[in-house]
Amino acid sequence: NAGVTQTPKFQVLKTGQSMTLQCAQDMNHEYMSWYRQDPGMGLRLIHYSVGAGITDQGEVPNGYNVSRSTTEDFPLRLLSAAPSQTSVYFCASSLGPSSSYEQYFGPGTRLTVT
Amino acid sequence: GQQVMQIPQYQHVQEGEDFTTYCNSSTTLSNIQWYKQRPGGHPVFLIQLVKSGEVKKQKRLTFQFGEAKKNSSLHITATQTTDVGTYFCAGGPGGDKLIFGTGTRLQVFP
Repeated sequence: NAGVTQTPKFQVLKTGQSMTLQCAQDMNHEYMSWYRQDPGMGLRLIHYSVGAGITDQGEVPNGYNVSRSTTEDFPLRLLSAAPSQTSVYFCASSLGPSSSYEQYFGPGTRLTVT
Repeated sequence: GQQVMQIPQYQHVQEGEDFTTYCNSSTTLSNIQWYKQRPGGHPVFLIQLVKSGEVKKQKRLTFQFGEAKKNSSLHITATQTTDVGTYFCAGGPGGDKLIFGTGTRLQVFP
């Protein structure tokens, strides 16, 4: 099993550009989440999904869109990149509700917006 | 909204010394999880505590969940250089959202 995979590993965008961060898992987990990590602020939840076709907002959803068409994939879209979105982005999956089940994290995408 | 704070933010210790990080929530938690993130890596699950007052041990690591289920601690006995990393607690009121603490970065000098 590959676990949770994320692409790309690194990305540089100009302000106003859009892009999609890819996340896939092969563990048949229903629950998937996107977090961003900034120095001194821990991990903050952007969006999450409890199954295919179901998504909801986390703590910091503005500027990001998600969709979940399959159990395996949970892409994160940046609509119009801003320097404030410079961060490390982690995708995670779990067997059940995030607060009760171990989260499996991907290797992360380091995004810089200039 | 719910906040989860950790102290200290940084800790530098000599190899062999003990280390403790504390996690405090503004609201009661259904349970608490702990993760470790090595430099340049991703968070890796360590343990979950569910019961009020629960204590669990993993070799040199001891985890505690407070009686009121609003705080938790991680204690490492006799640190080693392999313990270097950032330790996060995470919890929630229950359900689909997990709120991560701010993290404690541990540096161990040989």
